[in-house]
Amino acid sequence: AQSVTQPDIHITVSEGASLELRCNYSYGATPYLFWYVQSPGQGLQLLLKYFSGDTLVQGIKGFEAEFKRSQSSFNLRKPSVHWSDAAEYFCAVGLMEYGNKLVFGAGTILRVKS
Amino acid sequence: DGGITQSPKYLFRKEGQNVTLSCEQNLNHDAMYWYRQDPGQGLRLIYYSQIVNDFQKGDIAEGYSVSREKKESFPLTVTSAQKNPTAFYLCASSTVAGGYNEQFFGPGTRLTVL
Repeated sequence: AQSVTQPDIHITVSEGASLELRCNYSYGATPYLFWYVQSPGQGLQLLLKYFSGDTLVQGIKGFEAEFKRSQSSFNLRKPSVHWSDAAEYFCAVGLMEYGNKLVFGAGTILRVKS
Repeated sequence: DGGITQSPKYLFRKEGQNVTLSCEQNLNHDAMYWYRQDPGQGLRLIYYSQIVNDFQKGDIAEGYSVSREKKESFPLTVTSAQKNPTAFYLCASSTVAGGYNEQFFGPGTRLTVL
């Protein structure tokens, strides 16, 4: 069955430090991969997506992610974190054969300390 | 502005009552989705619809019902058969043409059963 694992439930980083959020997926075919961000009590905003092509994708707010097929990973990175980046981050895989549904990881809560 | 609206933002229900959550989009999207979010579990798909008058069960459809009478609207009814309905509910929509397409999310409805 398709699944997405985000091994870190919480991560705390200092403002200005670099960030990497981990995501591993289980899916037999070529995956459509996404990272979403959610502020408390809000909907989800798309940060970036990978469909094909260059395995390093750039997103909004200075985020990037790298697709590594050999490791079934799609880790999210940011070189310098801002206090406004504190939120919950979700990795997801899109399944075309199931009505384009998204399978989500459990999320990683990012805390930023000043 | 184009987007997805969900109402109400907060909803309280007594046990044994049915309640309907509204989702409207003006993005001219064919597909619409309902997800349930619980802390530490990410989002799980309840129902989805790719065309008017047709919808499919997702991973956790028991205790929920939907209708799709108009392209713009996809209301979700939480019935008394849903054993643990307190959660955050998110609606999403996407186009369906040309392969996989990203989903856009509404702001969510928080349902609390008293």
